Amino acid sequence: DGGITQSPKYLFRKEGQNVTLSCEQNLNHDAMYWYRQDPGQGLRLIYYSQIVNDFQKGDIAEGYSVSREKKESFPLTVTSAQKNPTAFYLCASRMTGGAGGTEAFFGQGTRLTVV
Amino acid sequence: SQQGEEDPQALSIQEGENATMNCSYKTSINNLQWYRQNSGRGLVHLILIRSNEREKHSGRLRVTLDTSKKSSSLLITASRAADTASYFCATAYTSGTYKYIFGTGTRLKVLA
Repeated sequence: DGGITQSPKYLFRKEGQNVTLSCEQNLNHDAMYWYRQDPGQGLRLIYYSQIVNDFQKGDIAEGYSVSREKKESFPLTVTSAQKNPTAFYLCASRMTGGAGGTEAFFGQGTRLTVV
Repeated sequence: SQQGEEDPQALSIQEGENATMNCSYKTSINNLQWYRQNSGRGLVHLILIRSNEREKHSGRLRVTLDTSKKSSSLLITASRAADTASYFCATAYTSGTYKYIFGTGTRLKVLA
């Protein structure tokens, strides 16, 4: 089955810790995205990557870091510098090219809670 | 900065009725997409309408796009209890790189 997988589903972080959220896709998509969703809110873009070994900051990149060493993988690290990390994190990918654009495919999300 | 804004924020209807949600955006776009999110889950793509299209249908879904007013609407006909979810519009645009910007969503509740 082709798809995009996020793990873990639930993650608990102590104050001052870094944690890494996994995102893997086997859709052969070039572009990948990380979004943060707070309760009752829309999605805000953290980081995105159009191609392997390249990524750009989104609207709320402070306190987060990413890497894109492989096409299939786009892990997100929530660092201790992120002061309010409790949120629902969503990873997405899409196929590049195509006249008029393409849709994004989303993982099932990781719920991060600071304890 | 979020570009899409949905209206209304919440909508409650009876099963069998139609549900209409609206989305407004601020700048020129390549396309506009609608997504559905069940509580605590990821988003599922529903429909994509390109900037040169005015209307699109998919099953019980009808989407319109008015680029002069920078707005779109999603109509769900003959709603079912299973349609209960949050619905988001996402605008896609290219400014150097291709990005999606999501709105804040409409929470739809369909009462059986």
